[in-house]
Amino acid sequence: QSALTQPASVSGSPGQSITISCTGTSSDIGAYNYVSWYQQHPGEAPKLMIYDVTNRPSGVSNRFSGSKSGNTASLTISGLQAEDEADYYCSSYTTSATQVFGGGTKLTVL
Amino acid sequence: QVQLVQSGTEVKKPGASVNISCKTSGYTFTSYSIYWVRQAPGQRLEWMGWINVANGNTKYAQNFQGRVTITRDTSASTAYLELSSLRFEDTAVYYCARRYFFDFWGQGTLVTVSS
Repeated sequence: QSALTQPASVSGSPGQSITISCTGTSSDIGAYNYVSWYQQHPGEAPKLMIYDVTNRPSGVSNRFSGSKSGNTASLTISGLQAEDEADYYCSSYTTSATQVFGGGTKLTVL
Repeated sequence: QVQLVQSGTEVKKPGASVNISCKTSGYTFTSYSIYWVRQAPGQRLEWMGWINVANGNTKYAQNFQGRVTITRDTSASTAYLELSSLRFEDTAVYYCARRYFFDFWGQGTLVTVSS
């Protein structure tokens, strides 16, 4: 199973909005609404930010939102804050009953 | 509160096996599956496999077939990952996580494979 495709890096200024894309295939992202997004700060375990494409876990800021169109999912962060600077990973359930992650995107808050 | 607490750092020689535990608390262990994910230094997250804690069924990523075994002890609310025939490239932080969308994660276990 090949990794999902994410941009290596994105950046934005405080207060701006950014979107991170995650492209897969009809065997993963396109097959189910089981896309999740994770935030990972250096040296820490990943943290769930979005699950089932659009759902936010309790305690996650509503500045984070998710969407999907066809084989591509997206994570949007609005009102960028310094603490949003981190690596972000997408994942998807697949038709092989496995999971696959994206390559990760480094978000820099300028 | 939900917690997943993993065993400590391991240093192994090539060809050896490593066994990592993931002790859970704060919820009914048999209600949710446990997944294992690893991250080599500076690399992306990599899905390894999962176990249906209720019935013990497992599914492994093709990359690890034949080398990985995931088990659980329901009486101890603990899941285990065993990885055998270790190679230098298995050096990574190994995480356990709960449910198919990984809502809670262990703190990670560093495994270093070195001669």
